[in-house]
Amino acid sequence: AQKITQTQPGMFVQEKEAVTLDCTYDTSDQSYGLFWYKQPSSGEMIFLIYQGSYDEQNATEGRYSLNFQKARKSANLVISASQLGDSAMYFCAMRELSLGGAQKLVFGQGTRLTINP
Amino acid sequence: DADVTQTPRNRITKTGKRIMLECSQTKGHDRMYWYRQDPGLGLRLIYYSFDVKDINKGEISDGYSVSRQAQAKFSLSLESAIPNQTALYFCATSDFRVQGPQHFGDGTRLSIL
Repeated sequence: AQKITQTQPGMFVQEKEAVTLDCTYDTSDQSYGLFWYKQPSSGEMIFLIYQGSYDEQNATEGRYSLNFQKARKSANLVISASQLGDSAMYFCAMRELSLGGAQKLVFGQGTRLTINP
Repeated sequence: DADVTQTPRNRITKTGKRIMLECSQTKGHDRMYWYRQDPGLGLRLIYYSFDVKDINKGEISDGYSVSRQAQAKFSLSLESAIPNQTALYFCATSDFRVQGPQHFGDGTRLSIL
């Protein structure tokens, strides 16, 4: 069974600082994918970034980057130059492929990030 | 217009009532999912479907049923609602790509008294 662990229930960061949100995972699959989603207080789930297990380079999307360390089974999200609008819950998720190709996502418990002005 | 639309957005109802949550999408995806989120927790998968003729149970399917009426429509039913089904419910879709993200609706906040 796959498992996602986010060990930081909450984080407080000053505006414009960089922040790293931790995510470790456990799987016996060789092929897997890791996702990060943002959930603002309004409740919607916003896709941020994806990393495939065979991707040799760390994924980047604007101010978001994923620090993927396969041997350590970690996939930390790095947000550079944080902004007040980055305050939200952040979820790490792992893709589990079912028979037939439907993606099943297993989510961590989330980290609540608060950006202070 | 949203690509993944959930209705209703909010619902308050009583124990024992039958409730249906609806999801429609304009993304053309064949894979659709229902999740629930409890306060302070991540999302847990209830049911998923990778085409109209295929429906599969997820991690927490007891007490729920689904119907895939068309490629674009996937509804979740609570046949006899109970208070511990109070949660935020999300519908999501994905395409065939293994690296493709799931796209979520805005959620339905359901309260069962």
